[in-house]
Amino acid sequence: QVTLRESGPAVVKPTQTLTLTCTFSGFSLTTGGMCVSWIRQTPGKALEWLARIDWDEDIWYTTPLQTRLTLSKDTSRNQVVLTMTNMDPADTGTYYCARIIRMRHTTEYFSYYFDYWGPGTLVTVSS
Amino acid sequence: DIQMTQSPSTLSASVGDRVTITCRASQSISRGLAWYQQTPGKAPKLLIYEASTLPIGVPSRFSGSGSGTEFTLTISSLQPDDFATYYCQQYYEYLPLTFGGGTKVET
Repeated sequence: QVTLRESGPAVVKPTQTLTLTCTFSGFSLTTGGMCVSWIRQTPGKALEWLARIDWDEDIWYTTPLQTRLTLSKDTSRNQVVLTMTNMDPADTGTYYCARIIRMRHTTEYFSYYFDYWGPGTLVTVSS
Repeated sequence: DIQMTQSPSTLSASVGDRVTITCRASQSISRGLAWYQQTPGKAPKLLIYEASTLPIGVPSRFSGSGSGTEFTLTISSLQPDDFATYYCQQYYEYLPLTFGGGTKVET
């Protein structure tokens, strides 16, 4: 049974660094094709993909936030950690981690849909 | 970035209705599209991938169609649990993955 769960502070102050942990079970990030992504949901931007870490250590960030994001994994603890620096009230929202199994359905592209999600963690940025 | 546009943003329907939601991509994404259902306070749930494939456990009243730039999600007979917000997501280009703005199905 695949599960993911996000954890981290509910409130951070502007300019602070946010650290979120995704703890998962039911799969291993050392298995070929396995990926974990972070997605956030803010009132202004609906669902926004933030970052992805793959089984082969590749890491990808959304361009507008790439200077503020760092993603890492601890495969022995089945955890993925996202840090976001210089938090702003506009970053207030619910942060989700989700699994992707990268597969090639066609010769054109790989599949990167999210088949399992964590319940999400609400982060409020306020002084 | 590939922009995903959903319509309508809100849809009023009743139990038993046939419901159709449209998602348009700003460029061709072949069949690289997924649909999700989100109820208040919960995470999105995968409904459809590859434009028309249902994961195990998703009721058959849900169906997806389309390719290229235009896609539809259809609920053949709306059930009480289906009042939710629906999102499309393209994965033809993975940097970045992008979502539509959502369609809220309400009574």
